[in-house]
Amino acid sequence: SQELEQSPQSLIVQEGKNLTINCTSSKTLYGLYWYKQKYGEGLIFLMMLQKGGEEKSHEKITAKLDEKKQQSSLHITASQPSHAGIYLCGADMNRDDKIIFGKGTRLHILP
Amino acid sequence: DAGVIQSPRHEVTEMGQEVTLRCKPISGHNSLFWYRQTMMRGLELLIYFNNNVPIDDSGMPEDRFSAKMPNASFSTLKIQPSEPRDSAVYFCASSPTSRRVYSYNEQFFGPGTRLTVL
Repeated sequence: SQELEQSPQSLIVQEGKNLTINCTSSKTLYGLYWYKQKYGEGLIFLMMLQKGGEEKSHEKITAKLDEKKQQSSLHITASQPSHAGIYLCGADMNRDDKIIFGKGTRLHILP
Repeated sequence: DAGVIQSPRHEVTEMGQEVTLRCKPISGHNSLFWYRQTMMRGLELLIYFNNNVPIDDSGMPEDRFSAKMPNASFSTLKIQPSEPRDSAVYFCASSPTSRRVYSYNEQFFGPGTRLTVL
């Protein structure tokens, strides 16, 4: 079974629209990472959340970690073509060096 | 400053052949990770090293897979013999330090090696 579930698996939105990607864990998270992957390239770190209720923003991307530290959401405001790619959440579930990744959400932006 | 360097970027080989993937982590980073990404299974951790020592290899699928880190600036992932189901993108990542020392552990990823086994 997948320990970290991402939804939706894929998303197609019109440029300028807002969107949300969710990441749900079966276990309490000690750290939650968001990465972006452009097609055919490596992963780029976006942000990391640790505390329950924590929220971070970078440009038009905001990520939150719920109070129970089992769910995170990534919100993009006024989406642009540059936001297209695969978004992956990764979780530290054991307070060690391992990050368990979700399967990713493929985001397409329509002009 | 160079990021994580992987070679080759693309590899096409025939079933049964030996494949060696190479990784140079970011200078000064103490932890190194090998991942495999497929459409079906997503991004899976194969093995990771801390200070050149293998810490967790529970993700290595079979004895056909082996990884080494002879020094702080180089690691290899070897598949012998290769099979078509090994076709995937293999990523190497490094991080500055162990999670045990600091509160979190951002990983920096290389561009990946796309392996095709015919």
